[in-house]
Amino acid sequence: GAVVSQHPSRVICKSGTSVKIECRSLDFQATTMFWYRQFPKQSLMLMATSNEGSKATYEQGVEKDKFLINHASLTLSTLTVTSAHPEDSSFYICSARLGYEQFFGPGTRLTVL
Amino acid sequence: AQSVSQHNHHVILSEAASLELGCNYSYGGTVNLFWYVQYPGQHLQLLLKYFSGDPLVKGIKGFEAEFIKSKFSFNLRKPSVQWSDTAEYFCAVNAPRDDKIIFGKGTRLHILP
Repeated sequence: GAVVSQHPSRVICKSGTSVKIECRSLDFQATTMFWYRQFPKQSLMLMATSNEGSKATYEQGVEKDKFLINHASLTLSTLTVTSAHPEDSSFYICSARLGYEQFFGPGTRLTVL
Repeated sequence: AQSVSQHNHHVILSEAASLELGCNYSYGGTVNLFWYVQYPGQHLQLLLKYFSGDPLVKGIKGFEAEFIKSKFSFNLRKPSVQWSDTAEYFCAVNAPRDDKIIFGKGTRLHILP
């Protein structure tokens, strides 16, 4: 089956630092990956669509300078939370598109102190 | 804009009870419909999907869903739930020509042993 991994699974950082989260499609190539944010007891909120070799497309209200996305290869997309603040603490989930379906990573729990 | 509405935020059932989780979407055109499940501590998994054809879709673990176009609904059903069905369930929709999948807010299902 199609497997998507994320690294790290959990990260704690100090306010003002930057954090990079990796999303990899392990057994398929994905020209399109997606980044979601999930708040406790809430749904997944799409942050941006990551396209291999081109700029990411951000959803309304998502700061592109704060959430930097790079999709440098067909199996890897990265999300960098720059100058993280406590309000950025959340569960970040990526997915990779294969055909009409999306396969989800296990998520990364970010805690900003 | 597309949106997905899940009517029940939290459902508690006893084992062997029948389950129906409501899902309505708003979108005027052709849609692909999904139900995802997130077991405690695990990542999102696809339960079932509808792209076209028979509106009654069967998924994994005895789940099924029925697409009723006139009602813009895609309700999830299971005739007899098990304790292991305790999880969060998300309904989702996307337009075939659009990469984005829009999620409902989720329904937390708790099965009493």
